Amino acid sequence: GQQLNQSPQSMFIQEGEDVSMNCTSSSIFNTWLWYKQDPGEGPVLLIALYKAGELTSNGRLTAQFGITRKDSFLNISASIPSDVGIYFCAGQLVGNNDMRFGAGTRLTVKP
Amino acid sequence: GAVVSQHPSWVICKSGTSVKIECRSLDFQATTMFWYRQFPKQSLMLMATSNEGSKATYEQGVEKDKFLINHASLTLSTLTVTSAHPEDSSFYICSAPRARGYTFGSGTRLTVV
Repeated sequence: GQQLNQSPQSMFIQEGEDVSMNCTSSSIFNTWLWYKQDPGEGPVLLIALYKAGELTSNGRLTAQFGITRKDSFLNISASIPSDVGIYFCAGQLVGNNDMRFGAGTRLTVKP
Repeated sequence: GAVVSQHPSWVICKSGTSVKIECRSLDFQATTMFWYRQFPKQSLMLMATSNEGSKATYEQGVEKDKFLINHASLTLSTLTVTSAHPEDSSFYICSAPRARGYTFGSGTRLTVV
């Protein structure tokens, strides 16, 4: 089952605003990944994090791997309408090869 | 980049029939393939993990006799939903681990009528 707590569940923002979402867990992860999913399609990788404290950017997206290895956040700056979609965090537990997903954050951007 | 090709993208079948979903790694060898199920407005839930050359491992609560997984080669993994029922209607997605991140198939929307 789910082992990641992702928040917020949904966000309604105005174009141009910044967005922040995060995932936390009581377990330790050795990898954190952030994905975006458009309706009817598979998730697409946005950012991958592999070391505690790592801060990585991909265009307007920035994500960090928490120092405790139990959390991660994703920021989107200057949102645009095509940012609309569902964002998932995913983590790989220490000693496991599979990936667990957060419940997702549904982002709506109003022009 | 690494691509996982998933087919079909959608399928409608009658209750009681079986449906096979294929995932192929196009430019790399996938020794492992993860199979997820996603209900509307929900997250991806891991169903099972297939490994080339060995039996698949299933998550708790997933019926292995109903969801048959075969990893026939290093580039092909299949999920067969046997004796499908309307409650099996869902979005099924495969994923293969890569050096950096995981690559997902485009998903299969199964509707059982």
